[in-house]
Amino acid sequence: NAGVTQTPKFQVLKTGQSMTLQCAQDMNHNSMYWYRQDPGMGLRLIYYSASEGTTDKGEVPNGYNVSRLNKREFSLRLESAAPSQTSVYFCASRDSLNQPQHFGDGTRLSIL
Amino acid sequence: QKEVEQNSGPLSVPEGAIASLNCTYSDRGSQSFFWYRQYSGKSPELIMSIYSNGDKEDGRFTAQLNKASQYVSLLIRDSQPSDSATYLCASANQAGTALIFGKGTTLSVSS
Repeated sequence: NAGVTQTPKFQVLKTGQSMTLQCAQDMNHNSMYWYRQDPGMGLRLIYYSASEGTTDKGEVPNGYNVSRLNKREFSLRLESAAPSQTSVYFCASRDSLNQPQHFGDGTRLSIL
Repeated sequence: QKEVEQNSGPLSVPEGAIASLNCTYSDRGSQSFFWYRQYSGKSPELIMSIYSNGDKEDGRFTAQLNKASQYVSLLIRDSQPSDSATYLCASANQAGTALIFGKGTTLSVSS
């Protein structure tokens, strides 16, 4: 069972470059999420998609865009990367309201 | 801004002891609560879900919920060195559409 798959696992960018992080789930879940995790800051929600065709901002959306391509896939785009966006990015999905989220393995992103 | 608060620790317990992890949340409308375990360099892994006041047991883990006090706890009995990790508490927002995570408590179990 693949669950939630994130690509790439590691990436180094230069300031100003753009990049798309990919996430796909094979559990037929309705909702998908993007988080960033920084030391001492916990998991912070960037964007989420409660269902196919909808997206909403989370706590820290500035500098990011998302696309819910279909029910399986939810991508996160950095249009002009900044060093402050150096972080570990996690994608998660869940089936329905008030159910637990299942996480991918994460993407470790460094911006120089 | 709705929040989930946890003591960052580290919480240190000897092998075989009971580890008690605590969490408070600010959104009175939250209906679901979760405990995740995260090993260093890994992704969060679901341990327990709890939706009703009282205790819920699963093996060595017991989750406790008190909605009146807005308090959630996780007890780990017979703690093992393999339990050493960061434990994240999360509550769903009132609409149930997203989770709010605490910053986590680091647990260290010594053999």
